[in-house]
Amino acid sequence: KAGVTQTPRYLIKTRGQQVTLSCSPISGHRSVSWYQQTPGQGLQFLFEYFSETQRNKGNFPGRFSGRQFSNSRSEMNVSTLELGDSALYLCASSYRTSGGRNTGELFFGEGSRLTVL
Amino acid sequence: DQQVKQNSPSLSVQEGRISILNCDYTNSMFDYFLWYKKYPAEGPTFLISISSIKDKNEDGRFTVFLNKSAKHLSLHIVPSQPGDSAVYFCAASADNQGGKLIFGQGTELSVKP
Repeated sequence: KAGVTQTPRYLIKTRGQQVTLSCSPISGHRSVSWYQQTPGQGLQFLFEYFSETQRNKGNFPGRFSGRQFSNSRSEMNVSTLELGDSALYLCASSYRTSGGRNTGELFFGEGSRLTVL
Repeated sequence: DQQVKQNSPSLSVQEGRISILNCDYTNSMFDYFLWYKKYPAEGPTFLISISSIKDKNEDGRFTVFLNKSAKHLSLHIVPSQPGDSAVYFCAASADNQGGKLIFGQGTELSVKP
């Protein structure tokens, strides 16, 4: 079956702009998580959505937001971009039941590489 | 506050030898641990996991060991192959955190032929 699809793969923005990234999870997966990867920081959790509701949020400013649609597709938005937002943004989906937790795999997309100039 | 730490940014090993990647955590609430592997320009892929009720889990060439008292886990790869060259991330989850995984900074493994 098709994997997690993220678009766009690469994008360049300037400070102050905003950006929207899209993620289509694996068919049947209802949980979508977003992570930011920067050199030396590993993967940092942004938020998780399940059944169109944000279930968990990481320690990121309010400029970072997201949503999930009824078909489980998810978008994340970053407003008023800063240079430090340059990173690889990874989306992951999992077959997690409502109220359950991830004891298995997260299936990651290839990521969206954002460069802020 | 880095709750999951991988203190070695890189590791170089000869083909056929053992690779040992280490990970330490601080949060006692973590009760499930996972290892992911990442190649350049690809997303991370799941490798192996372990529940806190176990101290060892094995899958082929990969074995994960968990020492709860030391809050330490390690991934052993035996024998190491050049195709194992990648960045390895350990991750942890807690029962009250839903789908959230806390990742370490990663260790870049290089297996020399």
